[in-house]
Amino acid sequence: DSGVTQTPKHLITATGQRVTLRCSPRSGDLSVYWYQQSLDQGLQFLIQYYNGEERAKGNILERFSAQQFPDLHSELNLSSLELGDSALYFCASSGPGQRGYTFGSGTRLTVV
Amino acid sequence: GENVEQHPSTLSVQEGDSAVIKCTYSDSASNYFPWYKQELGKRPQLIIDIRSNVGEKKDQRIAVTLNKTAKHFSLHITETQPEDSAVYFCAANTGGFKTIFGAGTRLFVKA
Repeated sequence: DSGVTQTPKHLITATGQRVTLRCSPRSGDLSVYWYQQSLDQGLQFLIQYYNGEERAKGNILERFSAQQFPDLHSELNLSSLELGDSALYFCASSGPGQRGYTFGSGTRLTVV
Repeated sequence: GENVEQHPSTLSVQEGDSAVIKCTYSDSASNYFPWYKQELGKRPQLIIDIRSNVGEKKDQRIAVTLNKTAKHFSLHITETQPEDSAVYFCAANTGGFKTIFGAGTRLFVKA
C-alpha cells in the first residue's frame, strides 16, 4: 500500500456518460497530480493541485475537470465519454522533502 | 513546450548483461530527474533520482548519469535479473510543479 488511495479500481461505462474518479493523497502531502495512461502508452500529465488550488495544467481535455477539496482529496470528472478515453488514470501525491511522487494503484476506465 | 524523449522504446538483454536507457529533456530549467519502474498491471514506483547539481548517482545495481550541458540523462542497470523486466520511465521536473515523463522503455531480461 503506497498510501495514495484511488477509487474505484475499475469502471465500465457507456459513451456519452460522466464519471468521477477519486483520490486520497498520502497523509501530509499537499500536492495531487493526475495522469492518464492509455494502453501501452506513457504517462500523460493532466493536472496538478496544491492545497486546494490548481497549480499546473497539461493536455487535459475540456470535457475533463478536477478539483481538490479542503481535506486534500481530489476528484477527476470525465464527461461526454468517448471510446478513446478508455485508459488507466493514476493519481500521485507529493509532499515537502519527498523524493518523487507516490502513485496510487490507478482506476482502469473502460468506455464501451 | 516541455518534452522528454526516451530511447529505446524496447530493450531486450540476456540475464547478467547491462541495460542502458537514455533520455533527453528540453526545458533547461529542469532540475530534478526521477526514474520510475512500472511492473505489469502495477503503479509506477520511484527507483532512483538525481538532482541537477549532481552528475552521477548509484544505488546497488542501478545508476543514473546527468549531462546538464547536453540535457541528457541515462539509467544504467548492471547484472540484470529477470525481475528487472518492466517498463521504465524517465522524467524531468522543474521546481516542484508538473513532472513530464518520457514515453517509457519496455525492458525484457531473458533468463
